[in-house]
Amino acid sequence: GQQLNQSPQSMFIQEGEDVSMNCTSSSIFNTWLWYKQDPGEGPVLLIALYKAGELTSNGRLTAQFGITRKDSFLNISASIPSDVGIYFCAGQAFSSGSARQLTFGSGTQLTVLP
Amino acid sequence: DAGVTQSPTHLIKTRGQHVTLRCSPISGHKSVSWYQQVLGQGPQFIFQYYEKEERGRGNFPDRFSARQFPNYSSELNVNALLLGDSALYLCASSLPYPYEQYFGPGTRLTVT
Repeated sequence: GQQLNQSPQSMFIQEGEDVSMNCTSSSIFNTWLWYKQDPGEGPVLLIALYKAGELTSNGRLTAQFGITRKDSFLNISASIPSDVGIYFCAGQAFSSGSARQLTFGSGTQLTVLP
Repeated sequence: DAGVTQSPTHLIKTRGQHVTLRCSPISGHKSVSWYQQVLGQGPQFIFQYYEKEERGRGNFPDRFSARQFPNYSSELNVNALLLGDSALYLCASSLPYPYEQYFGPGTRLTVT
């Protein structure tokens, strides 16, 4: 199945450093979502973006919906140990009456070193 | 408020068998979606139901089927299990707007 191009695939950073990851698509999306998944658990919604150019923050997390509607990025500032996990981007394209299905990226595995 | 719940948590089946997975959405959410997540990959869309009607289907064989009940809970059925069906099966629920999907903890299916 289709997956978005998410990079980097993995990151090793020192505690306190900032992190940036991004997602690109060949298709236009109406909504971009960012999730975090811990081992053995379901994805947890971090940030949702609804308009091209939108910049949204949630605590130390900031995400942007690209102007072309084909990309998005997520920044995490001042990383802490509990930021460890896999981060997924997801795009949603829909029209009236259609499914609101999510297309996911392949994930970014984040490791925070003390 | 309770989040999305799924049962069972883990399941081990043999090739050729049938399996039923269950999902209860967040209270007030009328839409339920099912995703399959293979190890090392992002979730893949299987089905979406809204108000008991199928709204969309992903690229999965007819061995996969689902339904939604009047209380908006849902079942995912998989027939004639293959080894490749081993995965984490995730259920997500959402409101009509905003279009945010909230996931349950998943059911880990192992086919031997």
